[in-house]
Amino acid sequence: QQQVKQSPQSLIVQKGGISIINCAYENTAFDYFPWYQQFPGKGPALLIAIRPDVSEKKEGRFTISFNKSAKQFSLHIMDSQPGDSATYFCAASLPHAGKSTFGDGTTLTVKP
Amino acid sequence: DAGVIQSPRHEVTEMGQEVTLRCKPISGHNSLFWYRQTMMRGLELLIYFNNNVPIDDSGMPEDRFSAKMPNASFSTLKIQPSEPRDSAVYFCASTAPPGTYGYTFGSGTRLTVV
Repeated sequence: QQQVKQSPQSLIVQKGGISIINCAYENTAFDYFPWYQQFPGKGPALLIAIRPDVSEKKEGRFTISFNKSAKQFSLHIMDSQPGDSATYFCAASLPHAGKSTFGDGTTLTVKP
Repeated sequence: DAGVIQSPRHEVTEMGQEVTLRCKPISGHNSLFWYRQTMMRGLELLIYFNNNVPIDDSGMPEDRFSAKMPNASFSTLKIQPSEPRDSAVYFCASTAPPGTYGYTFGSGTRLTVV
């Protein structure tokens, strides 16, 4: 019930293309769904997050799409750039718990 | 704010030695998390504190691992004795629920046990 499943494990996209990473969860009590971006040698950094009362959130080239009935959410990176090459983690948090459950991560490579 | 500060950045130690990792969370954040990251196992939650009190230590691998948070601005993760399989990057993160649940991670400590 606490698991968050992330796919694909790795992704290669051409510069200018759209990168899509998917996550699925089981526990309907989760109420906060963040995405983190991690560059080599650095800690994960909060990129964008959504709550289940909205179906989409956009910040610049990054968009989260949220499907509550399917218990799925995804990260879309528009006009992908080589500088977006990193590992991306989805996560899900329970109300007031503070503790997040992380997906296994997706390594994105954007080719010039 | 300087963010979450971890020290040391790198640690190389011999098997059997004691290792202490340190973390200073962001001021005002009342939850602190210790994670371990390896290629094989990804990000693993070891323990987390809320208001300096350990809430969930079910991820601590064994008794060789211990963590403390003596005050709101400092936490330690200790491994005694260390083993080669403990080699990993250890991250500390803090957050300030309720209202926002996003974590701020430190830069990590890369531990190598030889």
